[in-house]
Amino acid sequence: DTGVSQDPRHKITKRGQNVTFRCDPISEHNRLYWYRQTLGQGPEFLTYFQNEAQLEKSRLLSDRFSAERPKGSFSTLEIQRTEQGDSAMYLCASSLYRDGYTFGSGTRLTVV
Amino acid sequence: DAKTTQPNSMESNEEEPVHLPCNHSTISGTDYIHWYRQLPSQGPEYVIHGLTSNVNNRMASLAIAEDRKSSTLILHRATLRDAAVYYCILYYGQNFVFGPGTRLSVLP
Repeated sequence: DTGVSQDPRHKITKRGQNVTFRCDPISEHNRLYWYRQTLGQGPEFLTYFQNEAQLEKSRLLSDRFSAERPKGSFSTLEIQRTEQGDSAMYLCASSLYRDGYTFGSGTRLTVV
Repeated sequence: DAKTTQPNSMESNEEEPVHLPCNHSTISGTDYIHWYRQLPSQGPEYVIHGLTSNVNNRMASLAIAEDRKSSTLILHRATLRDAAVYYCILYYGQNFVFGPGTRLSVLP
């Protein structure tokens, strides 16, 4: 297993455009998490899935954000009508139940 | 909100031991203490975790106070590759809540 993969690594988009990120977790992990990190801050929780069910969403996850995990495998995070404040590193992690997390390298989003 | 308190930054000389403190006075009996570190331009990576007893692995040691209200991550011989932000996290099975962590600088 090659760990948690995130695609793309970098994304530059114009304000108002939609973007979608993908996360491929470790295959045997049933939990998948999305975090957002801005410069100089620790990662902030956005949402997590157990298998295909989205069990918790942070209030940071506005209506413009949506996450899916069809069939409990890979996950996508979509941001609609991007704003400059959405510029951040988006991190995905996976775990087996309550075990520790394995993080991906993240997708860096820049909204211009 | 993060339930841990860590110094913003620390410095160490290469090849010397480093003790990174973490206060978690509101820890509950079911909280595990996790330590992760984040190197520049990478996602956080697992370092060590424990519940009550001190723990050792190939990366580090974790010393947990008897009352569990504080813990210390010990890097036995710091290398330049250990320069990173270190996060102390209390985890009871929902999701990790990260604070700002401690930025460790290692001087050659």
